Amino acid sequence: ETGVTQTPRHLVMGMTNKKSLKCEQHLGHNAMYWYKQSAKKPLELMFVYNFKEQTENNSVPSRFSPECPNSSHLFLHLHTLQPEDSALYLCASSQDRAGYTFGSGTRLTVV
Amino acid sequence: QKEVEQNSGPLSVPEGAIASLNCTYSDRVSQSFFWYRQYSGKSPELIMSIYSNGDKEDGRFTAQLNKASQYVSLLIRDSQPSDSATYLCAPFGYKLSFGAGTTVTVRA
Repeated sequence: ETGVTQTPRHLVMGMTNKKSLKCEQHLGHNAMYWYKQSAKKPLELMFVYNFKEQTENNSVPSRFSPECPNSSHLFLHLHTLQPEDSALYLCASSQDRAGYTFGSGTRLTVV
Repeated sequence: QKEVEQNSGPLSVPEGAIASLNCTYSDRVSQSFFWYRQYSGKSPELIMSIYSNGDKEDGRFTAQLNKASQYVSLLIRDSQPSDSATYLCAPFGYKLSFGAGTTVTVRA
């Protein structure tokens, strides 16, 4: 475990389903992030939270809805996704300008 | 121009050789620089951080930073098959930006 725990590790969902991804960090960091990584593509920043306040939304479609109830927990709520949303979703946390610690990711498949 | 550009791969080196990875970045306010290693199907793992100009060595890894040229590199000495992975350059300006990565294959 890296100190950042993501669940579930794998998720298969239909286009009409609603599901949520969960991330928890045990490192006392003040910032948390959601990244998307599609096959053979670089990491794409989706959302940034600092002290549980959203500071960046990188033009992400509204079918992705983040929630950060406190500095240790981050959720990504999913609804009416498209097959092209299938990817590895990574959560990360950091403290100030230090490097990020990533979770193991959720491998999402939309059918 | 992309925020972060890395030398195109894949890079194939024989076991025991030096692998050289390069990265240029466009954000002049970047003050911290990180190298991540990502094995296939896994999440990125921080392997090196560098904050000031010059060289920083950590085991078989050496990072080199030149802020004036907006250039950072990573050398892997005595490459091992376990070094086969994608290496991501990540400068930190007001946020962490990632390059597309360079895939390294070490041939036994």
